[in-house]
Amino acid sequence: DTEVTQTPKHLVMGMTNKKSLKCEQHMGHRAMYWYKQKAKKPPELMFVYSYEKLSINESVPSRFSPECPNSSLLNLHLHALQPEDSALYLCASRGRSETQYFGPGTRLLVL
Amino acid sequence: DAKTTQPNSMESNEEEPVHLPCNHSTISGTDYIHWYRQLPSQGPEYVIHGLTSNVNNRMASLAIAEDRKSSTLILHRATLRDAAVYYCILRETGNQFYFGTGTSLTVIP
Repeated sequence: DTEVTQTPKHLVMGMTNKKSLKCEQHMGHRAMYWYKQKAKKPPELMFVYSYEKLSINESVPSRFSPECPNSSLLNLHLHALQPEDSALYLCASRGRSETQYFGPGTRLLVL
Repeated sequence: DAKTTQPNSMESNEEEPVHLPCNHSTISGTDYIHWYRQLPSQGPEYVIHGLTSNVNNRMASLAIAEDRKSSTLILHRATLRDAAVYYCILRETGNQFYFGTGTSLTVIP
């Protein structure tokens, strides 16, 4: 099973809401990633977890809060987002090989 | 600053080979070169990677320049299903992957 699942597929939220994105993989991968992708742009790295510890934070605003509760699960908690945060949020995982496996993404719209 | 640069778009006729170039002039000795592709409304999909030597797999070939400052992804016979955005990526020491700007490949029947 080489699948990375993400829920929800779509999310609409107001600027005062709190919501969470969820990512799950059962490949035993110990590195998990969050990327943000704006329309017609490449994915931008946000966070990297390695062995359930945050190893890279690419200067992401604090209104995005990642969490890795266990080796299979990665969450992204959202609070007080701005309309410019509307984007496709991609999760990926990587094991010992070089290959990253991506989920289909959550399309977020902030009103 | 972008770590890799790619042409914005390219076209290819179906069944013809396609050569997608990438420049990475600031690459360090330990950076891996990766290629991923992204179809509309999907997450990126791994294509191939290499460090110094040319690489082949069932999807494509990767040709890496001797000085490693550029590479070329080669699709041997383009099909309509190969129409996608192709990203050239450097994987730095550790877990960081930095995507290039991507090349949108159009395959003409």
